[in-house]
Amino acid sequence: DAKTTQPNSMESNEEEPVHLPCNHSTISGTDYIHWYRQLPSQGPEYVIHGLTSNVNNRMASLAIAEDRKSSTLILHRATLRDAAVYYCIPAWDTNAGKSTFGDGTTLTVKP
Amino acid sequence: KAGVTQTPRYLIKTRGQQVTLSCSPISGHRSVSWYQQTPGQGLQFLFEYFSETQRNKGNFPGRFSGRQFSNSRSEMNVSTLELGDSALYLCASSSPTGALGETQYFGPGTRLLVL
Repeated sequence: DAKTTQPNSMESNEEEPVHLPCNHSTISGTDYIHWYRQLPSQGPEYVIHGLTSNVNNRMASLAIAEDRKSSTLILHRATLRDAAVYYCIPAWDTNAGKSTFGDGTTLTVKP
Repeated sequence: KAGVTQTPRYLIKTRGQQVTLSCSPISGHRSVSWYQQTPGQGLQFLFEYFSETQRNKGNFPGRFSGRQFSNSRSEMNVSTLELGDSALYLCASSSPTGALGETQYFGPGTRLLVL
């Protein structure tokens, strides 16, 4: 499994951009990087994924380093509803057929 | 499309009992995975089913079992419940092809409390 390192927690002010970093230095060349988030009392929710190029969707942007050893999830304008635990999943364990959810980053958004 | 549904949403059992949880995947999805989430251990993979066959299994004791039906609906069963089995049990479905690495769509979970 690719090991991931994410900050335990981050804070942001409402309406400001948020950059959530993730280090995955042991990622293999073919593994997609997925980001999920889990709002309080809900199941995880898909946010975005990418392989090499930066990706954008209606929820967020994903910036992937050229060496793929790190990525950054960008929320362009944080809202109170973005308060959640954000998980970076850089690998799919093909032996176990599972994605490994680490501890994630707890994002607090202040009004 | 309707999302992943799980029933029941809440459940209280006592030690030694058994429990069956149900998951209905997104229509057309053939892969269903189960996870256990606890404050201490985080989100841990239990097993994954694809086309009625268990394709992958996490590191849980044999008290935890599952199955998948021909309509892709899945159930998981926990026998001889222990206090430590108290957790949020999450089901996720993915892709019509069941390809590994596909995006997973999670249900709201079943919160199990073992007394």
